[in-house]
Formats: sequence, C-alpha cells, structure tokens
Amino acid sequence: GQQLNQSPQSMFIQEGEDVSMNCTSSSIFNTWLWYKQDPGEGPVLLIALYKAGELTSNGRLTAQFGITRKDSFLNISASIPSDVGIYFCAGQYGGSQGNLIFGKGTKLSVKP
Amino acid sequence: GAVVSQHPSRVICKSGTSVKIECRSLDFQATTMFWYRQFPKQSLMLMATSNEGSKATYEQGVEKDKFLINHASLTLSTLTVTSAHPEDSSFYICSAPRREYAYEQYFGPGTRLTVT
Repeated sequence: GQQLNQSPQSMFIQEGEDVSMNCTSSSIFNTWLWYKQDPGEGPVLLIALYKAGELTSNGRLTAQFGITRKDSFLNISASIPSDVGIYFCAGQYGGSQGNLIFGKGTKLSVKP
Repeated sequence: GAVVSQHPSRVICKSGTSVKIECRSLDFQATTMFWYRQFPKQSLMLMATSNEGSKATYEQGVEKDKFLINHASLTLSTLTVTSAHPEDSSFYICSAPRREYAYEQYFGPGTRLTVT
C-alpha cells in the first residue's frame, strides 16, 4: 500500500527560528495537503497543493509540491509559541474526492 | 471557512453497549465523508468512506458489522460502534471534502470514546 515518510518526527526549536519538515512517498499523489493538529482536536488544514512544482504560502507558512509529485515540504518562518502542535502531511489520490494518506506527523515544540 | 462538527465530543460507555457518533458538514454539502481513527501519539488511520445514498466502503481490516456507517443526508454521516469493547477506545475523527474548495478535506473536532 501507499506510504508516506514524514520527517523529522519531532523538533525542539527556539522562538524565532525557522522550521522545515518534509514528506516523501513511494507513489505519485494528485494533491498534497498540510494539516496542524492540537491535542484533543481535529486536524486543521494549513495549505493545499495541486500541481507539481507549486509553491504556496499562508502567512509564515510556505509549502511546495515536489516536481516528481512524490514529495512535499513545509517551512515555517520566525516560529512563535502558538506554532506548537503536530503537523501532518497528507497525500490525496483516487480523484478529487479521494481519501487521504497521512504521514506520521512532526511534533513541533517551541521554546520561548 | 468550511465547518465540520462532530457530536458528542466525548463519550464514556460500558462494554457491550453501542455508541453513535455524528458528523455534520455545517455550511456545505458532502456526498462523501471519511471516518478516521487515531491512537495516542499516532497518525490518522482511515477506517471507511461514507457515501450518501449507498453503502460505505471499508478499509482492509475494519469490521463493517462492528463499525456501522450511515450517510443519511448530504450533510450528515453517522458512525455506530456496536458492542463496544475497551480496545475500541480511541479518538474518532470525520472529514468531508468541499467541492467549492477543490475538494479540500475539512476535519471535525473529533470524538473521544472511552469504553470501560
């Protein structure tokens, strides 16, 4: 079955630092999405990517859809304490309403 | 933005009883919804795809007779955990793709099920 490898598994950074995380897949995806999940809550969509090579920003967040369609990265610039949480990448296949395959998540801790 | 709600947010039940969890898309219609299960400190695992007007599609290893799914309308899907056991305790989350937003999937806030 399809698998997503997300790294790093966890990060401990100082407030103000930049953060980078990525996902790679053994298969091609049509769409890449990045979510953030706070404890006890459902994931919240941060950025959606639809085309190979696409680079999209949402405030301090920037994500790119890899040119091979098998990878994606998420960058967070100038991190702040509220960035703390678990970030998941997800690849979508099987058409526009296809289900998602999730990475294992990157747990981000920010030290003030 | 799109809003997906779940009810209840938390439920505690005794072994052998059944529990129903509702997932609603509040400001859009969804012919398809997805149900996920998440164990502590782990990622989301897709359980099944809920289809309005037809049978749900279950992922391999998920018992369809235990996890009953009904997509009653274009805004409501329900997951019923039948004859619950302690190993069914988990965080259950639904999602719905929104057509107007290129079918981006929006997640509900989740339901914490504890079976005693």
